[in-house]
Amino acid sequence: DAKTTQPNSMESNEEEPVHLPCNHSTISGTDYIHWYRQLPSQGPEYVIHGLTSNVNNRMASLAIAEDRKSSTLILHRATLRDAAVYYCILTGDDKIIFGKGTRLHILP
Amino acid sequence: DVKVTQSSRYLVKRTGEKVFLECVQDMDHENMFWYRQDPGLGLRLIYFSYDVKMKEKGDIPEGYSVSREKKERFSLILESASTNQTSMYLCASSLSEGLPVGYQHFGDGTRLSIL
Repeated sequence: DAKTTQPNSMESNEEEPVHLPCNHSTISGTDYIHWYRQLPSQGPEYVIHGLTSNVNNRMASLAIAEDRKSSTLILHRATLRDAAVYYCILTGDDKIIFGKGTRLHILP
Repeated sequence: DVKVTQSSRYLVKRTGEKVFLECVQDMDHENMFWYRQDPGLGLRLIYFSYDVKMKEKGDIPEGYSVSREKKERFSLILESASTNQTSMYLCASSLSEGLPVGYQHFGDGTRLSIL
């Protein structure tokens, strides 16, 4: 199965941009790149997804490398409410595999 | 607003008991999933279902079974609970078409303790 590699934790200051990296060197041509996040005491929630092109939505941006072997989730202006575990996931079918994710700490 | 509802946020049971965890979704989704989440291990897929009365094993099905008698309801069953099944259990659902593969809605989880 395709795997992703993320740093265990990251810190950022409030109101600054955050770049969360993800390596997925074994990605196949049909795999989508999804990002989820999990706030304390909640289930994971969808953040963004992409296939080849960079994507933007109201929550974040997703930058995908040209060879698709890595991607970066960008939170443009972090708030304290963005403190969560962020999961980068590859999906080729309805079965998705979660790794350990990156725990993002936001410093006030 | 779309909703995946898990019947209990917290549950305490004893070793050897038969335990039922219930999950209901109101989005008419075809696919439903059960995961467990443990510190340091992330989320692991236990079972999933593509349709009523259908089930597929995930990565860690041992010690569990599932039931999908109605489209909106997916039950996880611990046949004989053991202490190593103490965990956070998460239910999710997704559409088969119209949304990208991998787009799942999650419930808020059931924290199960087996004594």
